[in-house]
Amino acid sequence: GNSVTQMEGPVTLSEEAFLTINCTYTATGYPSLFWYVQYPGEGLQLLLKATKADDKGSNKGFEATYRKETTSFHLEKGSVQVSDSAVYFCALSANTGGFKTIFGAGTRLFVKA
Amino acid sequence: DAGITQSPRHKVTETGTPVTLRCHQTENHRYMYWYRQDPGHGLRLIHYSYGVKDTDKGEVSDGYSVSRSKTEDFLLTLESATSSQTSVYFCAISDSTGEPTEAFFGQGTRLTVV
Repeated sequence: GNSVTQMEGPVTLSEEAFLTINCTYTATGYPSLFWYVQYPGEGLQLLLKATKADDKGSNKGFEATYRKETTSFHLEKGSVQVSDSAVYFCALSANTGGFKTIFGAGTRLFVKA
Repeated sequence: DAGITQSPRHKVTETGTPVTLRCHQTENHRYMYWYRQDPGHGLRLIHYSYGVKDTDKGEVSDGYSVSRSKTEDFLLTLESATSSQTSVYFCAISDSTGEPTEAFFGQGTRLTVV
């Protein structure tokens, strides 16, 4: 079945550091890939998405590229801020999976001032 | 923000009692989902619905049932609550135009079974 694997956290960075959170997936068909973010005490919200191979999703300085050859969708940001502290979830949805969204385990990010 | 309301937001219940959580949407989206979130496990799908009266099991469905009698409401019932069902429960909705689309989430329900 479809699955998502992402790097374990927590990840602790200083402000203005470079961020990478790795995500790989297994899926049949043609999945769409997503990164969601969860701030403390809140539900998840979409951060960015990519719907086909080589697409780059971007939002709020974050970006991720859909790499079909390596089945990856790594999240990057060039300069993190304290306000980026949150839990980040990689996810996929595929028509072969009945459009269910499958999530990775989440990676908690702490950014220190 | 997508119109999704979960109720209650917090609940404490005793082991062995039935509990029903409600998810209400105003977006007329076809798909509705219930997830649970636990440390180290991310979000795990409990049940989902792809239309009125059409539901299916997710990866952690044991001990849970669902019903969807109207497009806007999706109920999750813990038939006999156990301490292992202490968790944060999220409802989500999505629509489909033939391509996978993003999911929109409610604020969550924190359930404690004592």
